[in-house]
Amino acid sequence: GENVEQHPSTLSVQEGDSAVIKCTYSDSASNYFPWYKQELGKRPQLIIDIRSNVGEKKDQRIAVTLNKTAKHFSLHITETQPEDSAVYFCAASMGYSGAGSYQLTFGKGTKLSVIP
Amino acid sequence: GAGVSQSPSNKVTEKGKDVELRCDPISGHTALYWYRQSLGQGLEFLIYFQGNSAPDKSGLPSDRFSAERTGGSVSTLTIQRTQQEDSAVYLCASSTPEAGGIEDTQYFGPGTRLTVL
Repeated sequence: GENVEQHPSTLSVQEGDSAVIKCTYSDSASNYFPWYKQELGKRPQLIIDIRSNVGEKKDQRIAVTLNKTAKHFSLHITETQPEDSAVYFCAASMGYSGAGSYQLTFGKGTKLSVIP
Repeated sequence: GAGVSQSPSNKVTEKGKDVELRCDPISGHTALYWYRQSLGQGLEFLIYFQGNSAPDKSGLPSDRFSAERTGGSVSTLTIQRTQQEDSAVYLCASSTPEAGGIEDTQYFGPGTRLTVL
């Protein structure tokens, strides 16, 4: 089955700096890659996702890049703010073009701390 | 509109007891997923329901775990003879899968924190 590795496990940045979180996946059939933000005690919230037919997607200060050949994707947060502090999870799934169900396989998370 | 809801928000039980966790998906969402999140860990897939199809139970860790989805809406996750290692946050998610994967975003509920003493 799919295996998703996420690095780093913890990341501290100064307010205003950029943060980058990287994930690799093992199953070349995966074609949907969402990123979730989870604040302490809260539910995971989707912040951005990318599908295999594009290499990059941006939404204001957040961007995701995908390299299907290397099977890795990254989250980039620019001009970080204290409210960006949370745990971020990457995930991969086969969407609806694969066989079976479409569950997400998650990385173990990155705890991001933005220091004011 | 209303998001995914789960109940109870917290459940404390004694080892060996059975527990039931409930999930109400977003109205109209045909797909429903259960995940488990242990302390400081990522989310682990448990089971998936899609419409009237047979559920994908490949993530259930043991035969003590089971789930039902009645009428294509509400789902109940049951853990029998609970063990301390079952302590975790159980999260439910729903989505509206369509061909081409356009609407496969999963929306999560707030979770049920299960503590087995």
